[in-house]
Amino acid sequence: DAGVIQSPRHEVTEMGQEVTLRCKPISGHNSLFWYRQTMMRGLELLIYFNNNVPIDDSGMPEDRFSAKMPNASFSTLKIQPSEPRDSAVYFCASTLGGGYEQYFGPGTRLTVT
Amino acid sequence: GENVEQHPSTLSVQEGDSAVIKCTYSDSASNYFPWYKQELGKRPQLIIDIRSNVGEKKDQRIAVTLNKTAKHFSLHITETQPEDSAVYFCAPNFGNEKLTFGTGTRLTIIP
Repeated sequence: DAGVIQSPRHEVTEMGQEVTLRCKPISGHNSLFWYRQTMMRGLELLIYFNNNVPIDDSGMPEDRFSAKMPNASFSTLKIQPSEPRDSAVYFCASTLGGGYEQYFGPGTRLTVT
Repeated sequence: GENVEQHPSTLSVQEGDSAVIKCTYSDSASNYFPWYKQELGKRPQLIIDIRSNVGEKKDQRIAVTLNKTAKHFSLHITETQPEDSAVYFCAPNFGNEKLTFGTGTRLTIIP
């Protein structure tokens, strides 16, 4: 298996633009997580899905952020409009379920100017 | 609530010596206790985990000990090597699929 796949790996955009991050979890995994990592705030859970259904989105910063999982093999995290404070590394992770290892993707480094 | 604290935040150890990082949590419903390692510019990766029915688990130079009564678990690295330099995160779960990551410990191994 190729592991968790994320695209793009790097994204540079201007303030106000829409940004879409993509994730393909490991085949057979039931849960998918979106994290954001910054020096100031560490590793934060934004939202997670179980069997394609959003379970906990309490970490989503505000209405500018939205996430979808239309099927078991694909998820998106969208920021609209983007702001400089959204600059961070965004990780996607997947797991078989509770009490199992979470496998992280390589991350997307987002820079909003 | 799901409160996780990790100590110390930074740790420097002479190569060959041991390192210990401690994680305390607030929720007694926790039943899974992993440690993740993140090298500079890389993704977090699981290095060892323990479940609530076990007190200690060892994998070569790495061990994790769990004290459920006191609500803490620790990462032990013996005979440290330069490649152990990284940020380490504890990430207990609280009865569901979600992991709550600690604030991280930056470990530096001094040659």
